[in-house]
Amino acid sequence: DIQMTQSPSSLSASVGDRVTITCRASQGIRNDLGWYQQKPGKAPKRLIYAASGLQSGVPSRFSGSGSGTEFTLTISSLQPEDFATYYCLQHNSYPWTFGQGTKVEIK
Amino acid sequence: QITLKESGPTLVKPTQTLTLTCTFSGFSLSISGVGVGWIRQPPGKALEWLAVVYWDDDKRYSPSLKSRLTITKDTSKNQVVLTMTNMDPVDTATYYCAHLTLLTGGYFDYWGQGALVTVSS
Repeated sequence: DIQMTQSPSSLSASVGDRVTITCRASQGIRNDLGWYQQKPGKAPKRLIYAASGLQSGVPSRFSGSGSGTEFTLTISSLQPEDFATYYCLQHNSYPWTFGQGTKVEIK
Repeated sequence: QITLKESGPTLVKPTQTLTLTCTFSGFSLSISGVGVGWIRQPPGKALEWLAVVYWDDDKRYSPSLKSRLTITKDTSKNQVVLTMTNMDPVDTATYYCAHLTLLTGGYFDYWGQGALVTVSS
């Protein structure tokens, strides 16, 4: 199985901060990775596809980068509605695997 | 507009079999490249992929749960059913179904609202 190691597991940040979350794959997955945002009691929402593609309707302050084994999700200027938990998902090979999540909290 | 909704029991007893139905609209599971997957999330924990079924009836399962899972589709009813046998309290979780399309990289681009299933005697 491909392990997805996400870091940090949590972070505290202020509105307007630049935030970076990383996912590392235990083996190369090309760009077969998505990023999801989940708010309490809600279903996940896809933000990024194919490592760097911005989902339609998602604000441009969200961006993704990386290929192979290291990937990042960046929020360029954190907004109040961005406080949530973020997950990466690799769909390069079965079983598909999620990272363990990064909780972004208000500082 | 693509929508999905999970339905099934909210409470099951240990050793029982869970049957969850995902009813969807806005797409067809008979179209090449389309699939529906199941994902679960225990309270306070991370997401876990369970299974996926494709338009051509190809099915894939999480190896750790493969012996307990069955996924089927009913294209005429726009439904996907997941069964999980021998339920245990550790299977308590919110179960989600989600849409995917291989051709445009749409992996879990639309999700249902989730169904909380509690396993308890």
